[in-house]
Amino acid sequence: NAGVTQTPKFRVLKTGQSMTLLCAQDMNHEYMYWYRQDPGMGLRLIHYSVGEGTTAKGEVPDGYNVSRLKKQNFLLGLESAAPSQTSVYFCASSYGAGLAESTDTQYFGPGTRLTVL
Amino acid sequence: RKEVEQDPGPFNVPEGATVAFNCTYSNSASQSFFWYRQDCRKEPKLLMSVYSSGNEDGRFTAQLNRASQYISLLIRDSKLSDSATYLCVVISSGGSYIPTFGRGTSLIVHP
Repeated sequence: NAGVTQTPKFRVLKTGQSMTLLCAQDMNHEYMYWYRQDPGMGLRLIHYSVGEGTTAKGEVPDGYNVSRLKKQNFLLGLESAAPSQTSVYFCASSYGAGLAESTDTQYFGPGTRLTVL
Repeated sequence: RKEVEQDPGPFNVPEGATVAFNCTYSNSASQSFFWYRQDCRKEPKLLMSVYSSGNEDGRFTAQLNRASQYISLLIRDSKLSDSATYLCVVISSGGSYIPTFGRGTSLIVHP
């Protein structure tokens, strides 16, 4: 049981390049999330998904797109990277909205450190 | 006003000290509350849930005050290994039940 995995762990891009971050979970969770974390800003929600085939915007969605074609995978895409997207990206998953610890606890991946030059 | 607010600290305490953090939330419809711990350059991990009646796990005690809309985390007998950032998380009803994170409180425990 690997939990939540993210690939790649590190990446350096040039302005204007594109890339896709992959998040995978093996816990059969319905909910998946993408966050970015910048110094002094805390975790900010980019996009999330409440089930296979669904996606929704979070707090800071501009410049990112997502897809959830399979329940276990949640992809985050940067179509044209900008230096402002230099950050640490965390993926998380949870069972759902049962409003209890057992269902609402989020499990995080180890993060992807992205630098855009 | 941000939905979930925390004092960023850092709280700098000696080993063995007792330290407490508060976290205020603005949505009165909030229903689930959690404390997560995040070590430097690592992912956040669940520390404990916060129940209406309060809950305790070893040296850690979490409490909820719905009237004043805040949750607290008390750490007794601080250890060096408690040094980390503590994130407050709130989930509100009436929507898609998406967690809202505070910016975190930094704790440094020194010898």
